[in-house]
Amino acid sequence: GENVEQHPSTLSVQEGDSAVIKCTYSDSASNYFPWYKQELGKRPQLIIDIRSNVGEKKDQRIAVTLNKTAKHFSLHITETQPEDSAVYFCAAQNTGNQFYFGTGTSLTVIP
Amino acid sequence: GAGVSQTPSNKVTEKGKYVELRCDPISGHTALYWYRQSLGQGPEFLIYFQGTGAADDSGLPNDRFFAVRPEGSVSTLKIQRTERGDSAVYLCASSLDGADTQYFGPGTRLTVL
Repeated sequence: GENVEQHPSTLSVQEGDSAVIKCTYSDSASNYFPWYKQELGKRPQLIIDIRSNVGEKKDQRIAVTLNKTAKHFSLHITETQPEDSAVYFCAAQNTGNQFYFGTGTSLTVIP
Repeated sequence: GAGVSQTPSNKVTEKGKYVELRCDPISGHTALYWYRQSLGQGPEFLIYFQGTGAADDSGLPNDRFFAVRPEGSVSTLKIQRTERGDSAVYLCASSLDGADTQYFGPGTRLTVL
């Protein structure tokens, strides 16, 4: 089955700096890669996603890049703000429509 | 419209008891997923329904866990003879057809004493 690894597990940045979170996956047939933000005690919320036919996608301060050959994808947050502080999860969906999640990155933005 | 809802939000039970957790997906969503999330971990896949049938139940940890979706809408996750290790947040998610964005419910926090 699919195996998704996520790094780093914790990340602290100064407000206004950029944050990058990286994930790798093992199943080359996986074709959809969402990123979720989860605040303490809340449900995961989709923030951005990318499909395997696209290399990069951007939405305001958030961008995701996908390298299919290397089987890795990354989340980039620019101009970080304190409200960006949360746990971020990457996921990969395989052809059986199952989702496999990374172990999460706890992001702290220091004012 | 209404999002995914789950009841109860919290459930405390004693070891050995039976529990049922309910998920109401977004109306019209044919795909429904159950996950288990332990503290500090990502959601762990349990089972995936497409309509009324379980398309993949390979994530259910053992035969104490069972889930149904008899009319292709509401789903119930059933846990028999609960153990302390079953304590976690159980998340439900739905998507339009499985190959689309999934939306999560708020979860049920299960505590087995």
